[in-house]
Amino acid sequence: GNSVTQMEGPVTLSEEAFLTINCTYTATGYPSLFWYVQYPGEGLQLLLKATKADDKGSNKGFEATYRKETTSFHLEKGSVQVSDSAVYFCALSPLSGANSKLTFGKGITLSVRP
Amino acid sequence: DTGVSQDPRHKITKRGQNVTFRCDPISEHNRLYWYRQTLGQGPEFLTYFQNEAQLEKSRLLSDRFSAERPKGSFSTLEIQRTEQGDSAMYLCASSSDGGPVKAFFGQGTRLTVV
Repeated sequence: GNSVTQMEGPVTLSEEAFLTINCTYTATGYPSLFWYVQYPGEGLQLLLKATKADDKGSNKGFEATYRKETTSFHLEKGSVQVSDSAVYFCALSPLSGANSKLTFGKGITLSVRP
Repeated sequence: DTGVSQDPRHKITKRGQNVTFRCDPISEHNRLYWYRQTLGQGPEFLTYFQNEAQLEKSRLLSDRFSAERPKGSFSTLEIQRTEQGDSAMYLCASSSDGGPVKAFFGQGTRLTVV
């Protein structure tokens, strides 16, 4: 079956530090890959996505590249802000089939210090 | 378009009671999903509707759980004879036909069984 593995957390960084959150996946075929973010007290929001190998998703300074050869979709940001403090979830969805349900990783909490 | 709406936001119930949650998806979305999220974990798929048809149910959805989507609009999730292990955040998401999938999530209903 499909699965998503995220690095263990939590992660604490100082403002303007470089961020990398690792995500690897196991899936049949060629899934779409996503990063979702959950800010304190809010619902899950789509941060970025990539639908095929070598695609780069980007949004709000965050980037992730779909690496089929390493089955990875690591999230990066060059300079984090306090407002980036949130829980980040990596997820995948199969492209084909009537049900494109999402399979999520466990999530990782990011705290950014001023 | 007001996004995906869930009601109630919080529910505290005594063990053994029945509870019902409601989800109003984005109006033009024909796909609707229910997920469950426990503390420290990512959301886990429960069930999926395409219009009014319930097309898939997870093994997590025991006989005490039932979901409906009459007329392909709003959906309800009922839990009968609640147990403490049912305490979780119940998330609803909706999306439109065609891939790749981009699901929009509601803020969730937090259930506490005491």
